Amino acid sequence: DGGITQSPKYLFRKEGQNVTLSCEQNLNHDAMYWYRQDPGQGLRLIYYSQIVNDFQKGDIAEGYSVSREKKESFPLTVTSAQKNPTAFYLCASSTETGAANTGELFFGEGSRLTVL
Amino acid sequence: GQNIDQPTEMTATEGAIVQINCTYQTSGFNGLFWYQQHAGEAPTFLSYNVLDGLEEKGRFSSFLSRSKGYSYLLLKELQMKDSASYLCAVAAGKSTFGDGTTLTVKP
Repeated sequence: DGGITQSPKYLFRKEGQNVTLSCEQNLNHDAMYWYRQDPGQGLRLIYYSQIVNDFQKGDIAEGYSVSREKKESFPLTVTSAQKNPTAFYLCASSTETGAANTGELFFGEGSRLTVL
Repeated sequence: GQNIDQPTEMTATEGAIVQINCTYQTSGFNGLFWYQQHAGEAPTFLSYNVLDGLEEKGRFSSFLSRSKGYSYLLLKELQMKDSASYLCAVAAGKSTFGDGTTLTVKP
């Protein structure tokens, strides 16, 4: 079945450690996104990519990094520079790219990161 | 800048009708999405409006007024499984989300 797979589902990290969250899609979508969600809040955009080997910062990119070496994969690294990394992280993809961006977002099941 | 407002919480009774409002002020507009999110799960797509008016899809309908920067999601014949958060998102180059409305359906 086509879809988006995120791993791991749960992750614990000590302060000062970098962690990488995986996101893989087999929907053949060009655009991919990373969102962060804190309790009782909506989704805030971290990074997005509209094409392979290109990505842009979202609204809260500080302390995060991404890569887009393959169309199917868009991993997110939470670095030690991120001051408050404990959150629910959601990866999404869509068919639409560019300024039009009218495409529905398809989400993975999310990764819950807890910093101890 | 982008500003999207929704009520934080709503409560309704099983079988009733509930309307969840969303107002937005954004630089650019290419359409408005509604997503449903159950606790601890990923959001799933409910509806998309790009033109003014009402879009109906089964028990769920969504309305848009671009001149007023206003949308609502209407849920009819509420069921217990409709208890969830409902997220309003504006597409303008990338999607910007409101904080969501947590709906509790009571027997």
